[in-house]
Order: sequence, then structure tokens, then C-alpha cells
Amino acid sequence: KQEVTQIPAALSVPEGENLVLNCSFTDSAIYNLQWFRQDPGKGLTSLLLIQSSQREQTSGRLNASLDKSSGRSTLYIAASQPGDSATYLCAVMGYAGGTSYGKLTFGQGTILTVHP
Amino acid sequence: KAGVTQTPRYLIKTRGQQVTLSCSPISGHRSVSWYQQTPGQGLQFLFEYFSETQRNKGNFPGRFSGRQFSNSRSEMNVSTLELGDSALYLCASSWTPTNEKLFFGSGTQLSVL
Repeated sequence: KQEVTQIPAALSVPEGENLVLNCSFTDSAIYNLQWFRQDPGKGLTSLLLIQSSQREQTSGRLNASLDKSSGRSTLYIAASQPGDSATYLCAVMGYAGGTSYGKLTFGQGTILTVHP
Repeated sequence: KAGVTQTPRYLIKTRGQQVTLSCSPISGHRSVSWYQQTPGQGLQFLFEYFSETQRNKGNFPGRFSGRQFSNSRSEMNVSTLELGDSALYLCASSWTPTNEKLFFGSGTQLSVL
């Protein structure tokens, strides 16, 4: 059974800092890994999708890496801003005999607060 | 291009009632999946539909069911509501069930009293 763990559970940083969020997963048989952002009471916004054959993806100030063999991913946020404050969720889509369709396994998330 | 639309946004029900939630995917998307989010359990997969067929189901009791129509719109139904069913129910859509980004709606917040 796939398990996803995110560290730290919460993070508070001053504006302008570079930061790293960590995600680990137990089963390396995955199609892809996605990072999402969730604002309070809202749905999820997809930030980055890394296919299993890729090592990293970048979008603006965000960079996500994937090491499938060790079951780890990191999300790097450069020059953090107060608007980055949200919960960041890591999710993997695994495959196991075709039972993975549309099924993401999520971590519990990292609550990020960026203060001015 | 319109995003994933979920209705209603909020629902209040009492124990024993049933409820139907609706999800309209992004135009052209054929895969729709549903998730339950609670403070204690986080996000958990309910089921996934592709071209009107349920392709995958999570570990939820039979009280939770769903369907997908020919236009890819989807509904999920919860019968005999329990207090523990109070949650944010999120719908996501994508072109295919596996290797694509999932786009989520804003969710339906269900409160069971």
C-alpha cells in the first residue's frame, strides 16, 4: 500500500527566504508525482507534475525534483512571498495491475506561512 | 476555458438522509475522479470514471456511489448519511486517467448534523 509522508508539517518563514518542502513515498512504482497548493476552504491547484521518467520540473519560482529510486521528491520555492502562504500537498499516482486509474495518494501536507 | 465546476458549494444534511453532488469537468476531459477531504484523514480517493465506466474505487462503504454521463459530467451519491461523512468532497478531471495533470474543482462542503 502506497504511503506518502511530507516533512515538515508546518513551516513559517520571513518573506524572501528560499525554502524546501519534502515528500517521500514508499512504493516507487509510480506514473507521476504532483505538487498541489490548497488555500483554506478551497480546491487544489496543480503546481507541477513530474512524470516517472523525469528528474525535475520548473515553473517560475518553483522547482520540483523526483528521485524515484529513493522514493523522494522536493519542492523548492525561491524568494518566498506572503502570497505563497497555503498548504502544499504532494501526491503520487501509482500503478498496480491497472488499479491506479485516477487515484492519487496524498501526503498530509505542509502548511506554509510566509510573513512580511 | 471553464474549470471544474462543483455544485452545490455547501450542503447541510441530517443523519440518515441521502445527498447527491455534481461535478462538471473541463470541456474535453473524460476522466473524473472524486476525493474526500477531512482534517483527520486528509485526502482520500473515492472513485474514478472514464467514458461512463467506473475504473477504480477506493476503500469506502457501498453507501458511496457515483456515475458518469455521456457528456462526462459526474455525480456522486451518499446514502444514509453519518456524522463522519462531514467533509469537503472534491472532484478532479483530466484527459486520461493516468499520466495527466488533475484539475480540481472548489469542492462541496458537506455538513451532517
